[in-house]
Amino acid sequence: GAGVSQSPRYKVAKRGQDVALRCDPISGHVSLFWYQQALGQGPEFLTYFQNEAQLDKSGLPSDRFFAERPEGSVSTLKIQRTQQEDSAVYLCASSLLEGVDYGYTFGSGTRLTVV
Amino acid sequence: GDSVTQMEGPVTLSEEAFLTINCTYTATGYPSLFWYVQYPGEGLQLLLKATKADDKGSNKGFEATYRKETTSFHLEKGSVQVSDSAVYFCALTNAGKSTFGDGTTLTVKP
Repeated sequence: GAGVSQSPRYKVAKRGQDVALRCDPISGHVSLFWYQQALGQGPEFLTYFQNEAQLDKSGLPSDRFFAERPEGSVSTLKIQRTQQEDSAVYLCASSLLEGVDYGYTFGSGTRLTVV
Repeated sequence: GDSVTQMEGPVTLSEEAFLTINCTYTATGYPSLFWYVQYPGEGLQLLLKATKADDKGSNKGFEATYRKETTSFHLEKGSVQVSDSAVYFCALTNAGKSTFGDGTTLTVKP
């Protein structure tokens, strides 16, 4: 596609509910990143894939967070048993090559509100 | 760990004024430096980048120079327009991971 596509754009979840957020990167982009952005703050790194391999998941805040990219293209970020502190915008970004010196292309994000 | 500190906003300027948004960083090794922009209702977009010391990134009239001696990457524009109103994020990438500042909101008034 022309850009990074994320769905849903907005998600309201009841506390304790599981959610799944989808990211469609630009076709052919090797690297894929997930970030969490709280209101008024910059994006915080969650996890990074190179093709289907998850190379870094050090930013995932708890074991309730899980990400996958099984075929090296579409990625899903899953949050189990959502808590209010999970409310944020979840951003996906992709990059053409392995190195990130080229900068990212970001999606528009999924705004998650946990009530 | 790595960190990025941006000038606190919001910043309000009149059209055609000179813009500076300060950014300093702390990192090990040799990071690449970036400015991203987020227009209202849109996602983050890469504005400009510099990958080594003394490099100057430029785009759409914006410039920033990678200053290793002062660990800075200040964003400048000589004459801002109303359409430049947005949130600007400074970021560094080091060992495959990017660290962002908290963003600076710029409002340009006619």
